[in-house]
Amino acid sequence: GIQVEQSPPDLILQEGANSTLRCNFSDSVNNLQWFHQNPWGQLINLFYIPSGTKQNGRLSATTVATERYSLLYISSSQTTDSGVYFCAVRGSTLGRLYFGRGTQLTVWP
Amino acid sequence: NAGVTQTPKFRVLKTGQSMTLLCAQDMNHEYMYWYRQDPGMGLRLIHYSVGEGTTAKGEVPDGYNVSRLKKQNFLLGLESAAPSQTSVYFCASSLTSSYTQYFGPGTRLTVL
Repeated sequence: GIQVEQSPPDLILQEGANSTLRCNFSDSVNNLQWFHQNPWGQLINLFYIPSGTKQNGRLSATTVATERYSLLYISSSQTTDSGVYFCAVRGSTLGRLYFGRGTQLTVWP
Repeated sequence: NAGVTQTPKFRVLKTGQSMTLLCAQDMNHEYMYWYRQDPGMGLRLIHYSVGEGTTAKGEVPDGYNVSRLKKQNFLLGLESAAPSQTSVYFCASSLTSSYTQYFGPGTRLTVL
């Protein structure tokens, strides 16, 4: 299967700081999604971004499929941004997603 | 439009007991998936379905069975629960394999 590596594994920030999360993957992908898992365990879709750049408020994401990586930018962090951020990619096999291990983000007030 | 719902939210089983987890979606999606999440890890695919009446094995299928008798429902069964199946189970659905997967709220299962 496709290997997905996320970095850093842990990130601690003060409110208001900016951050960049990285996702590297080992093979060509047809789909890439970023999720936020909040402290209650709920998985929230952030971006569907197989290529290019998208922005949604303070969050933006860029995927460079030819170089097999994606970046998630969080600007002006808030305590509600805390949680685990997952990158998941889809190869050619019938839609299954391969997940990374996630980046644990903690934002202090 | 409730999206993807899962029943139950929590369950505690004894080793050897059986149970069924229910996933329902109201988005008319063809594809449905069951994943499990263990501490410190991402989600791993257990089984999936590409349409009503079809199922297929994912990455970690052993000890689980599934059925998709209706398009909107995807059931995950544990015939004889083991402590190794203690996990959080997520169901997801997508319109086709190329589209965004939407996840349910999860079921936290503990097997004693």
